[in-house]
Amino acid sequence: DAGITQSPRHKVTETGTPVTLRCHQTENHRYMYWYRQDPGHGLRLIHYSYGVKDTDKGEVSDGYSVSRSKTEDFLLTLESATSSQTSVYFCAIWREGQETQYFGPGTRLLVL
Amino acid sequence: GIQVEQSPPDLILQEGANSTLRCNFSDSVNNLQWFHQNPWGQLINLFYIPSGTKQNGRLSATTVATERYSLLYISSSQTTDSGVYFCALDTGRRALTFGSGTRLQVQP
Repeated sequence: DAGITQSPRHKVTETGTPVTLRCHQTENHRYMYWYRQDPGHGLRLIHYSYGVKDTDKGEVSDGYSVSRSKTEDFLLTLESATSSQTSVYFCAIWREGQETQYFGPGTRLLVL
Repeated sequence: GIQVEQSPPDLILQEGANSTLRCNFSDSVNNLQWFHQNPWGQLINLFYIPSGTKQNGRLSATTVATERYSLLYISSSQTTDSGVYFCALDTGRRALTFGSGTRLQVQP
């Protein structure tokens, strides 16, 4: 258990509405990540952060923004949700020293 | 970007059987990890193995970085081994690129 929580765990929303997903960690790790998982694609990186206010894009960043104003929280925002953003979203941290990544429980998002 | 291919995509085993899952990748890597996603969706880190061989109980993994592949061995499989197995690679940014996974079903 890497002390990672995600909220909400499930969400149903309508096309065009803004959505914010929250990732919270308790172990003070510097690196945090957002991935999405879709059938047939494995996990794909959306955005990641390497420190407070330091973020970078992943391979599927279009339509998403992130913010990290404090070490423990990494927020993912869908400014105007679309049906193609229906997915399971996973947050992760990088445990330095072990050089391994640990995942939160996931958020299942349905955009109608 | 780096390409990650896993095989086979699907595998059905009887309990007690052994299996080998393969991960091929297209570029040199700093970091290779194997994950298990259980039927409830939880992702669990199995191995950090950029090169060499590691063992953990009935599971072991080998990475031959010069030939750009990694293997995950599962011996004496159990129904609790069911799920999807992913390999994932980092080329230096501490951000992983995942393969599309091998879905394993172990039948009693």
